[in-house]
Amino acid sequence: GDSVTQMEGPVTLSEEAFLTINCTYTATGYPSLFWYVQYPGEGLQLLLKATKADDKGSNKGFEATYRKETTSFHLEKGSVQVSDSAVYFCALSDGGNDMRFGAGTRLTVKP
Amino acid sequence: DAGITQSPRHKVTETGTPVTLRCHQTENHRYMYWYRQDPGHGLRLIHYSYGVKDTDKGEVSDGYSVSRSKTEDFLLTLESATSSQTSVYFCAISNGHLQETQYFGPGTRLLVL
Repeated sequence: GDSVTQMEGPVTLSEEAFLTINCTYTATGYPSLFWYVQYPGEGLQLLLKATKADDKGSNKGFEATYRKETTSFHLEKGSVQVSDSAVYFCALSDGGNDMRFGAGTRLTVKP
Repeated sequence: DAGITQSPRHKVTETGTPVTLRCHQTENHRYMYWYRQDPGHGLRLIHYSYGVKDTDKGEVSDGYSVSRSKTEDFLLTLESATSSQTSVYFCAISNGHLQETQYFGPGTRLLVL
């Protein structure tokens, strides 16, 4: 079945460092791909999404490109801030009756 | 922010007792979902609803039932709670199905002793 694998955390960075969180997926069809973010004590919020190959999702300085050839959707940000500290989830939906999330990557940004 | 509330926010119960969690929305979204969040597993879909009285199973539906008698309310019931159902439960809503943006509630932390 469909699945998502994302890099294990935790990830600790200094403010203004470059961020990459890797995400790869397995799917039989052409899924939509998502990054959700969870701040402490809160529910998940959509960060960005892409619905077809080569699409780039972007929001709040974060970007991810849907790469069908490598089945990847890596999250990047050029300069992280302390306020970006959160847990990040990669997810996919193939339009059927399920949504698959990765295990989550905890990011801590230190001043 | 989407208007989604969950109740209770925290609950401790004993094995074998029934538990009902409530999700309430004020956005008139058609789809509602229940997920559980466990360390190392991310979120996993339990059940979802695509309209009043219309529900379907997700990946981890065993031991859970749901009901939706009104657009705004989606109930998750553990008929006989087990320790393996200790988790954080999130409700989500969306206007389209799973490929559309979902809006999540604040979560319910359930401990089954």
